Amino acid sequence: GESVGLHLPTLSVQEGDNSIINCAYSNSASDYFIWYKQESGKGPQFIIDIRSNMDKRQGQRVTVLLNKTVKHLSLQIAATQPGDSAVYFCAENPFSGGYNKLIFGAGTRLAVHP
Amino acid sequence: DSGVTQTPKHLITATGQRVTLRCSPRSGDLSVYWYQQSLDQGLQFLIQYYNGEERAKGNILERFSAQQFPDLHSELNLSSLELGDSALYFCASSVGPAGATDTQYFGPGTRLTVL
Repeated sequence: GESVGLHLPTLSVQEGDNSIINCAYSNSASDYFIWYKQESGKGPQFIIDIRSNMDKRQGQRVTVLLNKTVKHLSLQIAATQPGDSAVYFCAENPFSGGYNKLIFGAGTRLAVHP
Repeated sequence: DSGVTQTPKHLITATGQRVTLRCSPRSGDLSVYWYQQSLDQGLQFLIQYYNGEERAKGNILERFSAQQFPDLHSELNLSSLELGDSALYFCASSVGPAGATDTQYFGPGTRLTVL
């Protein structure tokens, strides 16, 4: 399928290593954050989310860290596998005016090498 | 598979034409969102419908319109198409209208090519 974001920053890792993908968000009022994974030719797939009253949340092989002081979000993937190769987007929900509008980051391409 | 379906998967048309993209939300979801993704841009929110009513608008051009039908499926209409409208168009759905933690689940997208 056609690549999304041909000029995205790329993180290259070896299979089995841990990956850390970073994201800076824009709105200090945002209270909900989500990480999505997008494989080539597919729609964004929900990975994990976190509310602003937390600073860490763990899922299966993934951990999201939130630092509200510097408006920074990170996604950690443990024991990265070839199937993790994709573009990863962070999204914030400022929930302004009562509307559920996600603001997406530019994305980071994760390339996993055997 | 998110449970959100979109048709068609691919659409090729000419400048000046009009097309309609269709989306069926996940069973039980009342909100539908439309996003545009260009090659050099991230996902841009276009519009949200909740239970048939327009709920929120984003960066949607006046040439574009959408609606949500009683059976909750939604259509995005793009008219007077320009070359720059070529993009991936995604639909997402969620349960509620505006819950801050109301997760949006995305469909597979429609790739629009305007020649």
